[in-house]
Amino acid sequence: RKEVEQDPGPFNVPEGATVAFNCTYSNSASQSFFWYRQDCRKEPKLLMSVYSSGNEDGRFTAQLNRASQYISLLIRDSKLSDSATYLCVVYTGGFKTIFGAGTRLFVKA
Amino acid sequence: DAGVIQSPRHEVTEMGQEVTLRCKPISGHDYLFWYRQTMMRGLELLIYFNNNVPIDDSGMPEDRFSAKMPNASFSTLKIQPSEPRDSAVYFCASSPGQGQPQHFGDGTRLSIL
Repeated sequence: RKEVEQDPGPFNVPEGATVAFNCTYSNSASQSFFWYRQDCRKEPKLLMSVYSSGNEDGRFTAQLNRASQYISLLIRDSKLSDSATYLCVVYTGGFKTIFGAGTRLFVKA
Repeated sequence: DAGVIQSPRHEVTEMGQEVTLRCKPISGHDYLFWYRQTMMRGLELLIYFNNNVPIDDSGMPEDRFSAKMPNASFSTLKIQPSEPRDSAVYFCASSPGQGQPQHFGDGTRLSIL
């Protein structure tokens, strides 16, 4: 089992749709969680950190479920510009940060 | 604020040549990471440094790869001799501390002919 797993997609959604991604992690002692966004041929960029109580940034909502060991990202009112690959990142402690393989999202007009 | 700066942005060279990639981390960041990304293998961690000291180089594919960090503001990743299978995008990232988000440079697109 991979330490961090994501559905590779692609998710194809129309503009204005709501879409959600999940990411599971295997190490119950994992301490920090992040979502990154990577556009084609660009570097990964931090989208948002994920806090235990859940957090929201505009159209984006991130949640953490420690009992089931997953984090989620919800995108509301999808825009064409949201088309990208979304990477789940987990810090497990002891200098170890693991990037998921990413979920591809295509938002179409 | 300046982000992570990598050079060159693109490198095309023939197999057998030495390749040197450079990285300047964000000032004040104690951690520096080198990654390689390909379509087949995704994003792979090669090595990382803490306070200029290599902590984990288990991701370095083989002895042809080496990395140094002579001071807090500069790191190199060297491939000698280079091979076509080394073709990839190489990213450098830095972070201020353990468990903190990493900030990536623009990457170096390396093509070995």
